[in-house]
Amino acid sequence: DPKIIQKPKYLVAVTGSEKILICEQYLGHNAMYWYRQSAKKPLEFMFSYSYQKLMDNQTASSRFQPQSSKKNHLDLQITALKPDDSATYFCASSQGDWGPQDTQYFGPGTRLLVL
Amino acid sequence: GDSVTQTEGLVTLTEGLPVMLNCTYQTIYSNPFLFWYVQHLNESPRLLLKSFTDNKRTEHQGFHATLHKSSSSFHLQKSSAQLSDSALYYCALSDRTNTNKVVFGTGTRLQVLP
Repeated sequence: DPKIIQKPKYLVAVTGSEKILICEQYLGHNAMYWYRQSAKKPLEFMFSYSYQKLMDNQTASSRFQPQSSKKNHLDLQITALKPDDSATYFCASSQGDWGPQDTQYFGPGTRLLVL
Repeated sequence: GDSVTQTEGLVTLTEGLPVMLNCTYQTIYSNPFLFWYVQHLNESPRLLLKSFTDNKRTEHQGFHATLHKSSSSFHLQKSSAQLSDSALYYCALSDRTNTNKVVFGTGTRLQVLP
């Protein structure tokens, strides 16, 4: 069974619209993250959450808003979509104790295409 | 801020030859954690190996790397490349502050040919 679920797997959106990317983890982890990967840029850290609190935001735009309704959920709302937002968005999680064993595990990703 | 520099672009090898992918980093923190992640085609990144101990060799799945703080390096090596090693390899750095932010390098694509 997949331990990190991301929905949908593929998403096509129109410029200017709003979408929500879903992430649920069943690893019992306390920390969750969002990353973005596109053809133009390597893997890019976006947000980190610990116990449902925002710890770090490296995203310049307020159009990207993480939402955590439960400890094992971290959704990503993207508003006013632009073609440059086209990328694969990975959710990740870790135990959250920041120790040497605190490895991040990545979900399968949501591939977003903005037309 | 923190940064990671990797061998640029594509590295092509013949099966059986040794692999070395370079990684150097910059950070103001004295005890960084360094990682190598591997991403096969159409898959998500997964941890290959990690280290935070200076001058100690870390091994996993035939790959090894040694963190050298004196030269800020964490090169990935393997004695004999296999076709299944073809993938995108990311070197990454965490300063282990309370955000657990991980900074990834640009990635090196390894292509192993028969």
